[in-house]
Amino acid sequence: DTAVSQTPKYLVTQMGNDKSIKCEQNLGHDTMYWYKQDSKKFLKIMFSYNNKELIINETVPNRFSPKSPDKAHLNLHINSLELGDSAVYFCASRTGDGELFFGEGSRLTVL
Amino acid sequence: GEDVEQSLFLSVREGDSSVINCTYTDSSSTYLYWYKQEPGAGLQLLTYIFSNMDMKQDQRLTVLLNKKDKHLSLRIADTQTGDSAIYFCAEYKAAGNKLTFGGGTRVLVKP
Repeated sequence: DTAVSQTPKYLVTQMGNDKSIKCEQNLGHDTMYWYKQDSKKFLKIMFSYNNKELIINETVPNRFSPKSPDKAHLNLHINSLELGDSAVYFCASRTGDGELFFGEGSRLTVL
Repeated sequence: GEDVEQSLFLSVREGDSSVINCTYTDSSSTYLYWYKQEPGAGLQLLTYIFSNMDMKQDQRLTVLLNKKDKHLSLRIADTQTGDSAIYFCAEYKAAGNKLTFGGGTRVLVKP
């Protein structure tokens, strides 16, 4: 049983398209995150939700919109994709002790 | 990350000890973490330390924390070829409810 699962694992699309990445955690955690890892492996936080409410929204273009239908899910929707959006996007959920458990990542390639 | 810094690269011979260093800037950090990322994979939590501790040992891993200098290190004893990966340190701040990562240290273990 995968604790934090993301779909799709790979996504190749054209510039200008809209795409979504889904994330689900079965750990019962209240807090979930989206991180972006660029080609240099640098990890940057994008969003954080606690029990379906947005609590962190870093400087991210408003083309990126997170949606949390319930506390076990945090999806990421991206409008009007640009070349610079190509990266690996990681979902994570956090325990009360502060440990983050990461999904396997979703590699987005924009052509 | 600008708040957490690591050296970029470490080369070590199989069987030797590896020491990966990290510096952080925020003294209010409550937890400090080490994550491992193998090629094409997600981030695996290796160990973490509370900010009121100065050392933690877990099998081949030893974490040292110098709060005065804001310096964190991870020592891997008897390094194996399977330890080749990128290692990220991260600090967690409860106030911001987020984990900030360093840029990662790429460890290469030579036979």
